[in-house]
Amino acid sequence: KQEVTQIPAALSVPEGENLVLNCSFTDSAIYNLQWFRQDPGKGLTSLLLIQSSQREQTSGRLNASLDKSSGRSTLYIAASQPGDSATYLCAVRPAYNFNKFYFGSGTKLNVKP
Amino acid sequence: GAVVSQHPSWVICKSGTSVKIECRSLDFQATTMFWYRQFPKQSLMLMATSNEGSKATYEQGVEKDKFLINHASLTLSTLTVTSAHPEDSSFYICSARGLAGEDTGELFFGEGSRLTVL
Repeated sequence: KQEVTQIPAALSVPEGENLVLNCSFTDSAIYNLQWFRQDPGKGLTSLLLIQSSQREQTSGRLNASLDKSSGRSTLYIAASQPGDSATYLCAVRPAYNFNKFYFGSGTKLNVKP
Repeated sequence: GAVVSQHPSWVICKSGTSVKIECRSLDFQATTMFWYRQFPKQSLMLMATSNEGSKATYEQGVEKDKFLINHASLTLSTLTVTSAHPEDSSFYICSARGLAGEDTGELFFGEGSRLTVL
């Protein structure tokens, strides 16, 4: 069974810093990996989707990378802002079951003004 | 990205009553929708997978008679919490993926519904 881990569980940084969030998974047979943002009391907002054949995806100040062989993905946030404060979750979709998504427990980010 | 709308965003009910939560895909057709439950400070727990026109597939430990799921059309799935009790109080979130051929594999989420059972 796929297991997804996110470290650290919480992160606090001053505004303007570049930061990296980590996501690791145990089974490299994945279809894709998706990063989400969740604000308190809200649903999940899709940030980036990386297909298994891709190495990275970029959207604005966000860059996500994928290394299937090592079972790792990183979400890089450039020039962090207080508005980036939220919980970030990664989810892995296995190659053998399109209806299964394995979620990490998330990293709670606090960007201090 | 695609839009998934969930309603109501919050609901308070008395113990013993039933509550229905709707999940709609607004700008795409969703063959498959997923219902999750999220406890405070925890990640999402998949409750069931709902396929249009067929019975939902429930995860182990989830009572199908307690949490009724209906996916009557390609844009609407509903979750009914029957005879709700305080322990059913939680944050329920739905998500959807698109039709085959239009399915990039991306998952889209609703805004979530906060249920409080008194």
